[in-house]
Amino acid sequence: QVQFVQSGAEVEKPGASVKVSCEASGYTFTSYAIHWVRQAPGQRLEWMGWINPDNGNTKYSQKFQGRVTITRDTSASTAYMELSSLTSEDTAVYYCTRGQSDYWGQGTLVTVSS
Amino acid sequence: QSALTQPASVSGSPGQSITISCTGTSSDVGGYNYVSWHQQHPGRAPKLMIYEVSNRPSGVSNRFSGFKSGNTASLTISGLQAEDESDYYCSSFTSSTTLVFGTGTRVTVL
Repeated sequence: QVQFVQSGAEVEKPGASVKVSCEASGYTFTSYAIHWVRQAPGQRLEWMGWINPDNGNTKYSQKFQGRVTITRDTSASTAYMELSSLTSEDTAVYYCTRGQSDYWGQGTLVTVSS
Repeated sequence: QSALTQPASVSGSPGQSITISCTGTSSDVGGYNYVSWHQQHPGRAPKLMIYEVSNRPSGVSNRFSGFKSGNTASLTISGLQAEDESDYYCSSFTSSTTLVFGTGTRVTVL
């Protein structure tokens, strides 16, 4: 069955970067876009960007442009989201999801604290 | 890209029907039939309930239905049940080839 397994929780200091992974299984990895979505505590879902795993093309939300980088490793069926210049406002659960969001990862809590 | 507008809360009694609206623009909701609805229980990942405006994924109850008119999409839950109490988010593809989510709606079963 289709499944996404994300990397574990992270604690980072302000100004640092974090890289979250999302390993896909149960389908052909290159057949669906992978999106990254985050949710700050008590807040709404917020779309960050997506990657076409087939050719590596990406598109980012204007809000995160310049701070976020989404990549993939097709040999490992894994997508990555790296966010730099972290502040406390980046404390959130980060999710990966595919295509029209029929399957989601379990979420990765990133805490930014000095 | 501004978030799509949803009511903050909607409530209903068991067995009743409720409708959640999701208002965007002609550059997102109104321009494409790629509107989805997601259910999210506290501490859990979202779950897809409706895709492409009105299609239900396998396993989703037929009590959930979607519709769109102009720049506003809507999700109707009929025969409201206690298990439907949750947060609901709409999302839409946009003319910038991005996605945008709604502000979210808390559904309460009285």
